[in-house]
Amino acid sequence: QTVVTQEPSFSVSPGGTVTLTCGLSSGSVSASHYPSWHQQTPGQAPRTLIYSTSTRSSGVPDRFSGSILGNKAALTIAGAQADDESDYYCELFMGSGIWVFGGGTKLTVL
Amino acid sequence: QVQLVESGGGVVQPGGSLRLSCAASGFTFNSYGMNWVRQAPGKGLEWVAFTRYDGSSKYHADSVKGRFTISRDNSKNTLYLQMNSLRAEDTAVYYCAKDSNNYGIDYWGQGTLVTVSS
Repeated sequence: QTVVTQEPSFSVSPGGTVTLTCGLSSGSVSASHYPSWHQQTPGQAPRTLIYSTSTRSSGVPDRFSGSILGNKAALTIAGAQADDESDYYCELFMGSGIWVFGGGTKLTVL
Repeated sequence: QVQLVESGGGVVQPGGSLRLSCAASGFTFNSYGMNWVRQAPGKGLEWVAFTRYDGSSKYHADSVKGRFTISRDNSKNTLYLQMNSLRAEDTAVYYCAKDSNNYGIDYWGQGTLVTVSS
């Protein structure tokens, strides 16, 4: 069974740029996995940042961007702010109507 | 604006059943696929099920296949999740989520808590 992998934790300085990645335990992530990225703060519902690799959801600022970097999907946050401190989940389409989430990355801004 | 309001959560005994509902507004419900996603306490997100805009195709995660069924009533702008043979490991917040129609979720509801316990 293929597992979607993410860094468990990451830290960034205020104003800095950070790139979170999303890979597969077996194989490479490509655009045909239609990677999505969701942000969740404790006690809140998730909020979609990016879907279909690089499409920003409504109201999401352009300092959030999605891409494929090498064999992984990537979420880049530019000009990090204190309220970007959240859990970030990637989601991949595995075919046959099935989606799988990664385990999430806890981002600290300090 | 898009609104998704889940209901129907609660405490149920192992082996019991529950039906969740998600009332949708602010968009043309019968034009979009819909998902259920869950999150166990202190854990990550888990995709549960998806239905196409017209209900013609439905997909379920292996962990719930044969026990849970996603459905929709486009005349009522409502999404459902029928959950049978519930287990302790089904305890979670269940979120209703709208598909973008471009491969991927774009909006989420606030969730409803299901607790399976004797």
